[in-house]
This record gives sequence, structure tokens and C-alpha cells, in this order.
Amino acid sequence: GAVVSQHPSWVICKSGTSVKIECRSLDFQATTMFWYRQFPKQSLMLMATSNEGSKATYEQGVEKDKFLINHASLTLSTLTVTSAHPEDSSFYICSARGTNYNEQFFGPGTRLTVL
Amino acid sequence: RKEVEQDPGPFNVPEGATVAFNCTYSNSASQSFFWYRQDCRKEPKLLMSVYSSGNEDGRFTAQLNRASQYISLLIRDSKLSDSATYLCVVTGGGATNKLIFGTGTLLAVQP
Repeated sequence: GAVVSQHPSWVICKSGTSVKIECRSLDFQATTMFWYRQFPKQSLMLMATSNEGSKATYEQGVEKDKFLINHASLTLSTLTVTSAHPEDSSFYICSARGTNYNEQFFGPGTRLTVL
Repeated sequence: RKEVEQDPGPFNVPEGATVAFNCTYSNSASQSFFWYRQDCRKEPKLLMSVYSSGNEDGRFTAQLNRASQYISLLIRDSKLSDSATYLCVVTGGGATNKLIFGTGTLLAVQP
């Protein structure tokens, strides 16, 4: 199957700082990328969907000014958590889908801890 | 009501046992159905798609009942390596193709 990477795999930061998470499709072109968040013992919740070269579509209740998404190329999407607070601590997972695939391929996730 | 509901478990079973997980979904417009497996602190991985005719992949059998909006997963001859959380996933229905995840059912296979 196709491979998706995420960087960093974990990050600890102070409250008020911004954190950027990268999601890359390594061996295919990802026309669509998805960003999810998973709190402990809860399901993955879709935050936003991004298509290459266009603005992301955010799910209800997700602040677009707080979670900035950039999908500038067919192999890279970034999620920036701006002015992070402890309640933003979570497991952030991206997935990618290419034109030749019906399936979404998930990255390994980034564990964010905000102190 | 949650869009996808699962029994959270845990299901503690001995090696070799057969175990069944159930899932219900609320959106009758959902078109695609999946079971994913998620290991602790890892990303979810696709286990199998689920079709109305039922499908089998080795020790795993999945069933879909659209009328009842019910999905099942049967694991035969459980292995220690099957221990994980099993996520029932459906698509959002309508024009959207987004995945909606259940909270998962935790399986612990005991030696």
C-alpha cells in the first residue's frame, strides 16, 4: 500500500506557542488530505479536508484560524496549531488519498502535549 | 446519538476463541463500510471493507445489514497478535466521502 509519513511523531510545547505538523505522501500523489484528532478513549474525529491548491474545508466546531492547514503540493500538507493550549493536547493523524486510490492511507500520527 | 456506535469492551478472550464485534450506524445514506484496527498509540490500519454480501479474509468475516444499519466482524481462532482496538467506520453519506469512526472495541487475547 501507499505510505504516508508525519513529522514530528511527538512534540511537547509551552502554552501559547505554535506547532506545525507535516504530512507527506511518499510514493503517490495525494490529491486530498485529511486531518483527524483523537483524544484518549475517543474516536478519531475529522477536523478538516484539504485538496491540493485550494482552501481546506473545516468540520463544524473546528476553528480554521486556530488550525491552519496548507496543502501546497501533491505530496505535502501541513497543520499548524496556533497559540496552543493544554486542551489542544491530542493525537493528530493525517491521511491521504490519491486519484488512483479509493482508500485513505493514514500517517503514523503526531502526539502533541501542551504544558 | 453517536453516528457510529460500538461496544467499547474490553473483550478478554483466550487464544483460539471466536469473537464477534457489532456496530450500528445512524446515517442510512452511508455507502461504504470498513473495519479498521488500531494498536495502542498508533494510527488506524484498514482491516477490511464490508459488503452487503458479506466477505471473508482468512480468519476474519465481515457482514453488513443495510436494513438494520448493522455491521459485524467475526474473528475465528484468535491469536495474541489480534489484540488491538477494532474500529467500525462508515462514510458520511451524500456528497461527502468522509470517514466517520466509532470509538472502537478493545480486544485482549489471553495466552
